[in-house]
Amino acid sequence: DAGVIQSPRHEVTEMGQEVTLRCKPISGHDYLFWYRQTMMRGLELLIYFNNNVPIDDSGMPEDRFSAKMPNASFSTLKIQPSEPRDSAVYFCASSLWGVGAQETQYFGPGTRLLVL
Amino acid sequence: QKEVEQNSGPLSVPEGAIASLNCTYSDRGSQSFFWYRQYSGKSPELIMFIYSNGDKEDGRFTAQLNKASQYVSLLIRDSQPSDSATYLCAVTTGTASKLTFGTGTRLQVTL
Repeated sequence: DAGVIQSPRHEVTEMGQEVTLRCKPISGHDYLFWYRQTMMRGLELLIYFNNNVPIDDSGMPEDRFSAKMPNASFSTLKIQPSEPRDSAVYFCASSLWGVGAQETQYFGPGTRLLVL
Repeated sequence: QKEVEQNSGPLSVPEGAIASLNCTYSDRGSQSFFWYRQYSGKSPELIMFIYSNGDKEDGRFTAQLNKASQYVSLLIRDSQPSDSATYLCAVTTGTASKLTFGTGTRLQVTL
């Protein structure tokens, strides 16, 4: 399997622009997670989906962030408008079931976002 | 208080020594505990998980869990330079599907 695929790998944009990050989970995985990682705050869960349905979006910073999962093989995380403080590495992860015992999340390579 | 706390390090150990990485968590209802390794510029990868009190060994790695003290640790025996990375502790919180990560401990294994 190709693993979790994310695109783009790097994104540089200017403040105020719309940014769309994309993720393809591992085939057959029912759970998809979006994380953000910064030096100051570490790895933070933004939102996760189960069977394409958003389950917990309590980590989404504000209304400028939105996430969708139109089908089992694709998800997007959109930031509109972007701000410099959104600069971070955004990871997508997927898992077969939930995060119980003996189950793990597999992370994609991440998207490095820089907002100027 | 942060939900999952780790010493940021760096923790420096000589090659061949034992590296001990520690993590405390605040949610007494947490059931599962994970250690991830993250090389610089890469994504986290799972090393071990543990959900019962005591020790769990996998090769050079041993995870230790003490739920009464809300403490989980990772021991790396015979440390190698390739073990130099940031180690993230993760804990299930709330629903079983959600992980909360610590900010990580950077380990440096010196020659």
